[in-house]
Amino acid sequence: EVQLVESGGGLVKPGGPLRLSCAPSGLSFNDYSMSWVRQAPGRGLEWVSSISSSSSYIYYADSVKGRFTISRDNAKNSLYLQMNSLRAEDTAVYYCARHRYCSTALCYTAFDIWGQGTMVTVSS
Amino acid sequence: DIVLTQSPDSLAVSLGERATINCKSSQSVLYSSNNKNYLAWYQQKPGQPPKLLIYLASTRESGVPDRFSGSGSGTDFTLAISGLQAEDVAVYYCQQYYNTPFTFGPGTKVDIK
Repeated sequence: EVQLVESGGGLVKPGGPLRLSCAPSGLSFNDYSMSWVRQAPGRGLEWVSSISSSSSYIYYADSVKGRFTISRDNAKNSLYLQMNSLRAEDTAVYYCARHRYCSTALCYTAFDIWGQGTMVTVSS
Repeated sequence: DIVLTQSPDSLAVSLGERATINCKSSQSVLYSSNNKNYLAWYQQKPGQPPKLLIYLASTRESGVPDRFSGSGSGTDFTLAISGLQAEDVAVYYCQQYYNTPFTFGPGTKVDIK
């Protein structure tokens, strides 16, 4: 089955760190740009960060810039999101998503495959 | 940042009838070099991740039923569901990927009347 599987979510205290991982299963990963998108409980979708296939291009939402770091290890077929200085407003389901293929560095394309998400709760 | 607004916030449609959702962008998402609109539509059912329905404003993703169609250009876009089925009950989001931040609309909830 073609899927992305996120892991690493959980309960963390304000100010604490957490690292999310995303691993593909049954689908190609290394040649694709990837993103993290989050959804607070009962709210809409919010793009968090994107990374190109070779990690040459990385972008962040202003709400997480300086606190979150996206990275990938193509040899391990894995995508990561290191989250530091977490705040209550970071509480959300975090999805990893694959961009539709393109031949350029960072793919400005729609997100064609999504993981099931991992819940992050920031609370004391 | 490009802001997307959707209308209506929610709608209820009888089975077999047509549902129409609008998405308006604060600036054009038409890429002039290839004349393509960098806009997508997603469907999200409760407890599930979003699912890509339409990309480049009007291209249906593989496996998506042809009752789903997208139209529009520049700043105004529409998702239409012709012949609403019970399984179409969901929240629908538009998204622009013209530039970062890749913003989403607030969503439109579709129910059965």
